[in-house]
Amino acid sequence: DAGVIQSPRHEVTEMGQEVTLRCKPISGHDYLFWYRQTMMRGLELLIYFNNNVPIDDSGMPEDRFSAKMPNASFSTLKIQPSEPRDSAVYFCASSSDRGQTEAFFGQGTRLTVV
Amino acid sequence: KNQVEQSPQSLIILEGKNCTLQCNYTVSPFSNLRWYKQDTGRGPVSLTIMTFSENTKSNGRYTATLDADTKQSSLHITASQLSDSASYICVVSANSNDYKLSFGAGTTVTVRA
Repeated sequence: DAGVIQSPRHEVTEMGQEVTLRCKPISGHDYLFWYRQTMMRGLELLIYFNNNVPIDDSGMPEDRFSAKMPNASFSTLKIQPSEPRDSAVYFCASSSDRGQTEAFFGQGTRLTVV
Repeated sequence: KNQVEQSPQSLIILEGKNCTLQCNYTVSPFSNLRWYKQDTGRGPVSLTIMTFSENTKSNGRYTATLDADTKQSSLHITASQLSDSASYICVVSANSNDYKLSFGAGTTVTVRA
C-alpha cells in the first residue's frame, strides 16, 4: 500500500475561491481523520469518519468548511469561500482503530489563501 | 490552556551528540502517550506509544520514557544524525478508544554536521 495519499500537495488560491482537498486512505482502514496544522495552534482535529460516515465534525471551524466521504477510498475537504486565515497545512490520516494508535498520516496539503 | 507542554521549543545539536526532549501533560484520565516525528513537508510518523504501565520504549536510536505519576515523558535521541532534523510531537490520549487526542506544540530539532 502506498500509504495515505493527499492531493494537491500545494494549493494557492485567492480569497473567496472554493478549495477542495482530496484524500485516499489506506485500504482496509475504517477511520479517516482530517487535521489542520498551523504554527499558532499546532494540530487540530477537524472531522472524522467511521465507515464513510461523519461522526464528529465539531472541530470544523465554520460553515465554510465541509467534508465528504462518498466511499471507502476517497474523502474531500472543501472550503468555500476561502479566507486568508484558512492558510495552513491540512492532513488526512487513516486508522484501523478509533483511538488512532495505528494511524498513518498523509503528506499534507499546504494551502495558501491570498 | 494546552494540556500537553513540550520543551524546549527548539534546539540545535551537532551530529553524533545526544539530546533529550521533554513533555509534561495534565491530561486526565490517561491511557497512552505517543511521540511522533514530523519531517519538514511531511505528515507525522509514530515513533513510540506507551501505556500507563510502560516506563520506557525504544525505537532504534529513539528512547522514550514515561513517568505517569509525575505526568512527564522524555524522548532521548542517541548519536544524532542529520536525518533526525525534524519536529517531534508529544501526543496524549485519555482513553484508548477515544479519537480525541491532545497534541503538544512540538520541539524542532536541528542536527548540524
